Amino acid sequence: ETGVTQSPTHLIKTRGQQVTLRCSSQSGHNTVSWYQQALGQGPQFIFQYYREEENGRGNFPPRFSGLQFPNYSSELNVNALELDDSALYLCASSYQGQGQETQYFGPGTRLLVL
Amino acid sequence: AQSVSQHNHHVILSEAASLELGCNYSYGGTVNLFWYVQYPGQHLQLLLKYFSGDPLVKGIKGFEAEFIKSKFSFNLRKPSVQWSDTAEYFCAVTEYNTDKLIFGTGTRLQVFP
Repeated sequence: ETGVTQSPTHLIKTRGQQVTLRCSSQSGHNTVSWYQQALGQGPQFIFQYYREEENGRGNFPPRFSGLQFPNYSSELNVNALELDDSALYLCASSYQGQGQETQYFGPGTRLLVL
Repeated sequence: AQSVSQHNHHVILSEAASLELGCNYSYGGTVNLFWYVQYPGQHLQLLLKYFSGDPLVKGIKGFEAEFIKSKFSFNLRKPSVQWSDTAEYFCAVTEYNTDKLIFGTGTRLQVFP
């Protein structure tokens, strides 16, 4: 166990809907990164939040957005869901500032878009 | 763009066999290297990491990996696998001073008793 928690564990939505996924970071960590893991693939970086600001983004459209709160927890929002958004969404937390960060992953939220 | 290749997509071994999983990355500069493991029904866990220093790094559960800069490789090894090593293994890279992880597609390892 890493101390990173995510909710919900599973979610079913229909095309065009919006979804919010939540992540609580490990105690002492100030950075949260989000990844999308499609079936049979490795995780792909969506974006990272550091001190409540977006700190890097992968190749994902603007309908993927996020927030980080003062307690370093984070949300991932996806608007106008598409079938291809069906995946496991992973949150990882780390402590930025020491130069050699290691990310610790939560259990993920499995999203199914019908 | 930086990429990571894991050439073994599915590996099947008997218990006590030796394991080597390949990982190659494309970036020519300084990198940080990781192996993560995902056991069935569990979250991604860090097996081992390389930032600098001795290119042979030891991780948890008897795993080790060797960083060979000239070959852009970071292969994972274990001398004798156990049934409990059945899992998906992911190699990942970050460029120096960033922590955006770039993952390979993973290797599914099945170990039979």
